[in-house]
Amino acid sequence: AQSVAQPEDQVNVAEGNPLTVKCTYSVSGNPYLFWYVQYPNRGLQFLLKYITGDNLVKGSYGFEAEFNKSQTSFHLKKPSALVSDSALYFCAVNTGFQKLVFGTGTRLLVSP
Amino acid sequence: NAGVTQTPKFRVLKTGQSMTLLCAQDMNHEYMYWYRQDPGMGLRLIHYSVGEGTTAKGEVPDGYNVSRLKKQNFLLGLESAAPSQTSVYFCASSSLRENTEAFFGQGTRLTVV
Repeated sequence: AQSVAQPEDQVNVAEGNPLTVKCTYSVSGNPYLFWYVQYPNRGLQFLLKYITGDNLVKGSYGFEAEFNKSQTSFHLKKPSALVSDSALYFCAVNTGFQKLVFGTGTRLLVSP
Repeated sequence: NAGVTQTPKFRVLKTGQSMTLLCAQDMNHEYMYWYRQDPGMGLRLIHYSVGEGTTAKGEVPDGYNVSRLKKQNFLLGLESAAPSQTSVYFCASSSLRENTEAFFGQGTRLTVV
């Protein structure tokens, strides 16, 4: 079965500092990985995806993610956090027909 | 430019009651999905559809039925609601282009008492 894991329930970071939200995957075959963000009382919004090619993927709102095959990881990063980045972040894997298996989510809290 | 619209946004049901959640998308997407979101569990796929008139079971289909009579609409039904179905339900849609992103509605918060 294909799955992703987000080992941290919450990540705290000060505004202006770099942030990392971790995700590891367990996939047979090529992994097609996604990051989504959920703001309070809203649906999920797409941030970025890894399909193939460069291991560093750039996405929306200044976010990027690094795909590491040897460590089976796909960590989300941002060089300088904003208070407005505070939200719930989900890693997901496409299991076919764009059906997504999600991680349990990581709450990011950026303090002023 | 509505995207994916879900109705209703909130609902309280009594155990044993039935209801239908409606999802409508205006992006001409072939694929549509219903997920439920529970604390500490992320989102889990209930049912999905790869085209008008077709549906398939996801990870947690028990207690739910779906229909896709029109390409733009995907209905999720609860025939006899149970407290375990208290959750936030999200509809999503996607094109059939491989590995494209899904677009999500704003969710329906359902409480079964």
